[in-house]
Amino acid sequence: ETGVTQTPRHLVMGMTNKKSLKCEQHLGHNAMYWYKQSAKKPLELMFVYNFKEQTENNSVPSRFSPECPNSSHLFLHLHTLQPEDSALYLCASSPTSGGANEQFFGPGTRLTVL
Amino acid sequence: GQNIDQPTEMTATEGAIVQINCTYQTSGFNGLFWYQQHAGEAPTFLSYNVLDGLEEKGRFSSFLSRSKGYSYLLLKELQMKDSASYLCAVVDSNYQLIWGAGTKLIIKP
Repeated sequence: ETGVTQTPRHLVMGMTNKKSLKCEQHLGHNAMYWYKQSAKKPLELMFVYNFKEQTENNSVPSRFSPECPNSSHLFLHLHTLQPEDSALYLCASSPTSGGANEQFFGPGTRLTVL
Repeated sequence: GQNIDQPTEMTATEGAIVQINCTYQTSGFNGLFWYQQHAGEAPTFLSYNVLDGLEEKGRFSSFLSRSKGYSYLLLKELQMKDSASYLCAVVDSNYQLIWGAGTKLIIKP
């Protein structure tokens, strides 16, 4: 595997379910990001981890819970989501979170909340 | 507030040239990125500009004017595979990426 991978690619869940999204990067980067992408809206930065430490939490509801066990893996735990949380969730990585670094994106998880 | 503006959608003909504009108002400026995103796929890096002027990379060029808060992406000799969304993003004074909503480019034969 190369680059940034995400699983699952598609997820349908009910509002009472608990699920997790997984991201893995094989680029030796130290920063990882979660974004939400909704149709015709700018990418919304949700969380940033730099060297496994969370450095950004952009007022994300607590029903989204990130976890970064090491610099290569990032999870997004989901529980009691709302229909408006349906979106494409993108993971990205970069060498570090400081500076104007190019970010490398995974293909995303298409989430539908019923 | 911080704002990035780009057209929602553009249509062009195969073989032609198209220019996608991006204007920005941000707290500080540390560079501007263009990314390409095909439907259902990951955004991929196209260019990064931090100084004024034109950067050419094959069929794609990116221009920046910091005084005008303006950039454009120029695509020449359009091919069907260029049908995608093009995302403009500015690095602000805190080195945060501020994203535009993207321009969906439709190429017609």
